[in-house]
Order: sequence, then structure tokens, then C-alpha cells
Amino acid sequence: GEDVEQSLFLSVREGDSSVINCTYTDSSSTYLYWYKQEPGAGLQLLTYIFSNMDMKQDQRLTVLLNKKDKHLSLRIADTQTGDSAIYFCAETSGGGADGLTFGKGTHLIIQP
Amino acid sequence: DTGVSQNPRHKITKRGQNVTFRCDPISEHNRLYWYRQTLGQGPEFLTYFQNEAQLEKSRLLSDRFSAERPKGSFSTLEIQRTEQGDSAMYLCASSLVRQGAGEQYFGPGTRLTVT
Repeated sequence: GEDVEQSLFLSVREGDSSVINCTYTDSSSTYLYWYKQEPGAGLQLLTYIFSNMDMKQDQRLTVLLNKKDKHLSLRIADTQTGDSAIYFCAETSGGGADGLTFGKGTHLIIQP
Repeated sequence: DTGVSQNPRHKITKRGQNVTFRCDPISEHNRLYWYRQTLGQGPEFLTYFQNEAQLEKSRLLSDRFSAERPKGSFSTLEIQRTEQGDSAMYLCASSLVRQGAGEQYFGPGTRLTVT
């Protein structure tokens, strides 16, 4: 079945860039998403990318997709304390309308 | 737009009891999804509806689980004869699927504890 892998932890200094990586196995993935989850809260959709794109930028967020290597990354520029959260990578192969397959999440820790 | 809401936010029940959760999606969203999230894991897909039709069920959804969306608006998820392994956060999401990514927006979840 489909699998999505992420590193469990990432520690960065405040003001630096954070790069969170994700790999997936389903070659038929059509949309890939990044969600943010803060303690005790639901998932907040940050951004998504369609599989025929290789880059998408949205303010401080940059998503890079290497479809050949099935590798997705999320770059957060000028990381702030409010960015401290768990970041989930998710994919769907159903044209964006079916159930999502999530990774286990990456805990982003911000050092002052 | 008030977002996706879920009730109750927390539920503690004894093993063997039945529980029911409710999800109210963003108005006019035609798809509604249920996921389960356990500690340290990402959400796992359970089932989804397009309007009132249940279109897909994960193999995680055992016979003790049933979901409905009778009028194509709110949805309920019932777990019968709860087991300790059912303890988890149950998340609901909704989307408007016309074309494009059909982004899913999540509610705050219902945390179930089975004692």
C-alpha cells in the first residue's frame, strides 16, 4: 500500500530557514499536501502541490517536488516561535478528492 | 464560514459501551471525511461521503463502526461495543470537490478515551 515517510524531529534556530522532508511511494499520487498541527488543535492546511508542478511558493512557504525521486519538501523562511508544531505530509492518488495518506509528522522545534 | 465543528470534544466511556460523534462540515462542502489519529501517528483515513452517499471505507473501519450522513450535511460516527484500542482522536474533514485539489479542512477532533 501507499507509504509516506518523514523524519520525526527537526530543530532550527529562530530566524533560520526550516526544511522538512517527505518521501512517498505511490507513483500515482496526484496531489501532495502539507498540514500543521499545534498541541491540542486540529490540522491546518498550509499548502499543496499538484504532481505536474515542481515548485510552489506562498509567502514564507516554499514547496519543492521531485517526482522522479518521490521526494517532497517544505521550506519555511525566517522561522518564528509560532511555527513550532508538528508538520504532516499527505498524499492522494484520487485526483484530490479521496482519502489522504499521511506521514507520521515532523516535530519542528525552534531554538531561541 | 465557521469551519468544521465536532462534538463532543472529549468523550470518556467504559469498554463495551456505544458512543456517537457528530461532525458539522463547512456549509456547501459536498465531501465529508472521517479519520482516526493515535498518539505519535498521522491521521488514518476511515471513510468518506459525497453528499449522503458513503463512497469508500477503509479496512480500518471494522463492523463495530458505522457512519452516516443522512441529509448530506452533518455526519455521525458510531462505535459499538467500544474497546480500549478504539481510544484515539477522531477527526472530521470536509471539502468542496468541483475541480482542482479539493482541499480538505479539518475540525478540532473528538478525543475518545475507553477505560
